[in-house]
Amino acid sequence: SQQGEEDPQALSIQEGENATMNCSYKTSINNLQWYRQNSGRGLVHLILIRSNEREKHSGRLRVTLDTSKKSSSLLITASRAADTASYFCATDLTGGGNKLTFGTGTQLKVEL
Amino acid sequence: SQTIHQWPATLVQPVGSPLSLECTVEGTSNPNLYWYRQAAGRGLQLLFYSVGIGQISSEVPQNLSASRPQDRQFILSSKKLLLSDSGFYLCALRIWGTDTQYFGPGTRLTVL
Repeated sequence: SQQGEEDPQALSIQEGENATMNCSYKTSINNLQWYRQNSGRGLVHLILIRSNEREKHSGRLRVTLDTSKKSSSLLITASRAADTASYFCATDLTGGGNKLTFGTGTQLKVEL
Repeated sequence: SQTIHQWPATLVQPVGSPLSLECTVEGTSNPNLYWYRQAAGRGLQLLFYSVGIGQISSEVPQNLSASRPQDRQFILSSKKLLLSDSGFYLCALRIWGTDTQYFGPGTRLTVL
């Protein structure tokens, strides 16, 4: 089964609104990463948060991590049409050997 | 900075035919290399990863194989394609000592 499960599977918002995506995982991690994928393209790394961190910011992105609940959230503030993409969380498992386990993704659509 | 090339971008193959997908990287040495497959609308499934020349780890038993004949070359192969091999194949690298993965543009494979 998937290590990471994103919620919601799909999200549609208006430009200027905030978008929040959640990720749950099952086992102990070294870090959790968020990636973005535009349709038919490769993935682009957005942000990494380590297991000893609780919150991290990068531009309009804010990521939180709650290791007690085994969950993370990605917040995109003041969304733009160009933010339309699929967003994936990926976990670097403790003892996982340099591998990432990806979730199923959230499809975000930002409408004008 | 590192660059990942994947060839070809799109491929349509008949069932039972062989397959060879190539991934080459520039701008880094001795990276970890990864092959992922993404089914339509789904997350990424790790197929193979390599920590060095000739070193291949398989994640799931299947109809595919991988080889790393050179430090910056990673090849995905099959002797006889199945319909279920259709998907979007992504190559990724991880620079030694870091945690982020960088992805190539992908190859869209359709098996008919």
